[in-house]
Amino acid sequence: NFMLTQPHSVSESPGKTVTISCTGSSGSIASHYVQWYQQRPGSAPTAVIFEDNQRPSGVPDRFSGSIDSSSNSASLTISGLKNEDEADYYCQSYDSSNHVVFGGGTKLTVL
Amino acid sequence: QVQLVESGGGLVKPGGSLRLSCAASGFTFNDYYMSWIRQAPGKGLEWVSYISPTSYTNYADSLKGRFTISRDNAKNSLYLQINSLRAEDTAVYYCARDGYNTNYFEYWGQGTLVTVSS
Repeated sequence: NFMLTQPHSVSESPGKTVTISCTGSSGSIASHYVQWYQQRPGSAPTAVIFEDNQRPSGVPDRFSGSIDSSSNSASLTISGLKNEDEADYYCQSYDSSNHVVFGGGTKLTVL
Repeated sequence: QVQLVESGGGLVKPGGSLRLSCAASGFTFNDYYMSWIRQAPGKGLEWVSYISPTSYTNYADSLKGRFTISRDNAKNSLYLQINSLRAEDTAVYYCARDGYNTNYFEYWGQGTLVTVSS
């Protein structure tokens, strides 16, 4: 079964840049688009990146996404960190049966 | 504006059944794929199922058989029937809508909590 693996947690200081990785277990992560969702405590998730590197309307350009085929991984990079970025982040893609697959989530702490 | 409002959650005994509903508004419902995603307390997101505008369905392998997704385009509503409920089905259940011509969850409801306990 195709799985997406994320670090359990990351932390960084305000104003700095942080990158969250999402590694595919098999096949090519480039075979299907990768999305990223932000979830603050007590709230529903919201998309911050879709189709690998596209930002939904209203998401600041501090958020960016990329794919690295050599490591079979996707990355979410947040620059100029703000306290309000503290949240859980989930990557999401599809497997070969077009089943939706979520990563386990990464807790971002802004120190 | 797009609104998705889930209902139907609650406390149910193991082995029981439940039908969740999601009322959609603010967009042309029968143009979009719709999905159910759940989140157990303190855990990550787990996709349950999606349904196309013409009712093609797909389910997570681990959940296939007890869960049935359906939609009523005339009522702008999405449904999830859950049978033979187990303690591990305890979760917040979200409905979500795909983006236009894209396959990501652009809009989410606020979720409905299902608790399975005797």
